[in-house]
Amino acid sequence: QKEVEQNSGPLSVPEGAIASLNCTYSDRGSQSFFWYRQYSGKSPELIMFIYSNGDKEDGRFTAQLNKASQYVSLLIRDSQPSDSATYLCAVNRGAGSYQLTFGKGTKLSVIP
Amino acid sequence: GAGVSQSPSNKVTEKGKDVELRCDPISGHTALYWYRQSLGQGLEFLIYFQGNSAPDKSGLPSDRFSAERTGGSVSTLTIQRTQQEDSAVYLCASSLAMGGPQHFGDGTRLSIL
Repeated sequence: QKEVEQNSGPLSVPEGAIASLNCTYSDRGSQSFFWYRQYSGKSPELIMFIYSNGDKEDGRFTAQLNKASQYVSLLIRDSQPSDSATYLCAVNRGAGSYQLTFGKGTKLSVIP
Repeated sequence: GAGVSQSPSNKVTEKGKDVELRCDPISGHTALYWYRQSLGQGLEFLIYFQGNSAPDKSGLPSDRFSAERTGGSVSTLTIQRTQQEDSAVYLCASSLAMGGPQHFGDGTRLSIL
């Protein structure tokens, strides 16, 4: 049973559009949620983290968390070709756990 | 340093040899984590350290894998008698405190011939 699931994509959006990336998780005790961006051949780069239900905005990025639905999403506004990468969702394994479980990632392609 | 530093960046070795991978976390970060990422696969958690202590070693794939951390700073991941399935990118991350946002190094690309 997969613990963190993401659509593998590729997700293609035109430049300037909103990209919506989704992630579901299985452990109801999870408390910490992270989004990482990974360019091909590079290591993951932290984009956003969210701990509470609702929205959290940082520049063009918005993370959304719904613990009741066990769902976390990342919105990228005004998408740029430089946003083209694989986006990884990571969730801590349960209450009090420091171990992160990563999804396999969604590949985003922003078309100029 | 400004970020997590890992060495070597690339390592090619023969099957059966031992390898040692090094991670230097961000200064002041108490928590350190090791992952590996195989081609086309997600990140696989291996082990974490709080200070010099590793409370949970169950993520290590086999008893050929071991890790230590000294002085609350540098950590080494050792793989003994390497096998071809050990080929992967080994990533180290650190966070200011346990459970906080993790920042990754550039990784060590390990290739077993």
